[in-house]
Amino acid sequence: ENVLTQSPGTLSLSPGERATLSCRASHSVFSNYLAWYQQKPGQAPRLLISDASTRTTGIPARFSGSGSGTDFTLTISRLEPEDFAVYYCQQYSDSPWTFGQGTTVEIK
Amino acid sequence: QLHLQESGPGLLNPSETLSLSCTVSGASIRGTSHYWGWVRQPPGKGLEWIASIYYSGGTYYNPSLESRVTISVDTSKNQISLKLNSVTATDTAMYYCARQGDIFTGANYFFDSWGQGTLVTVSS
Repeated sequence: ENVLTQSPGTLSLSPGERATLSCRASHSVFSNYLAWYQQKPGQAPRLLISDASTRTTGIPARFSGSGSGTDFTLTISRLEPEDFAVYYCQQYSDSPWTFGQGTTVEIK
Repeated sequence: QLHLQESGPGLLNPSETLSLSCTVSGASIRGTSHYWGWVRQPPGKGLEWIASIYYSGGTYYNPSLESRVTISVDTSKNQISLKLNSVTATDTAMYYCARQGDIFTGANYFFDSWGQGTLVTVSS
């Protein structure tokens, strides 16, 4: 099983600041099959990015993904009030498909 | 507009079998190029993939749950179902039904559409 470790656990930032979230895999993610999700309280997760860097239709350009192999990053260039949420990464290169434990982006 | 709606018992006793259904509207499960899966989330915790199925019956299971789980599809009702037997308190979670990506264009096993989830509590 490919274990995903996200860091930091919590990121305390102010609106307008840049957020950098990390996702590290225990072994290489084939073809960069890595997705990022956003989850707000009481809501289902929402797909933001697939294939490590491809934004889903309708996701603002301030969200970007990068990385390869075992190290991946989600960057939110300038935080908007609606971006404060929990973010999860997920690898889908091999079953069982696994999620990271999440990073909470909270208002400082 | 794709819509997924989960339904379940809400509360059940330890050792019972959990049965969940997911009704899909806005698209037909039959003949599509997507897997359909179940993901759960214990209160205050992260996401765990459980199982996935293709309309023709192909399945994937999480080995950690495989011995207790059965996923099935009913294309006539446009439904996906999940059974989890011998439940314990650790199975208490929000259970989500979700569509996975288009497998005709790649190994797109991410989850691109989600239901709102159904909360299941296991308690005596």
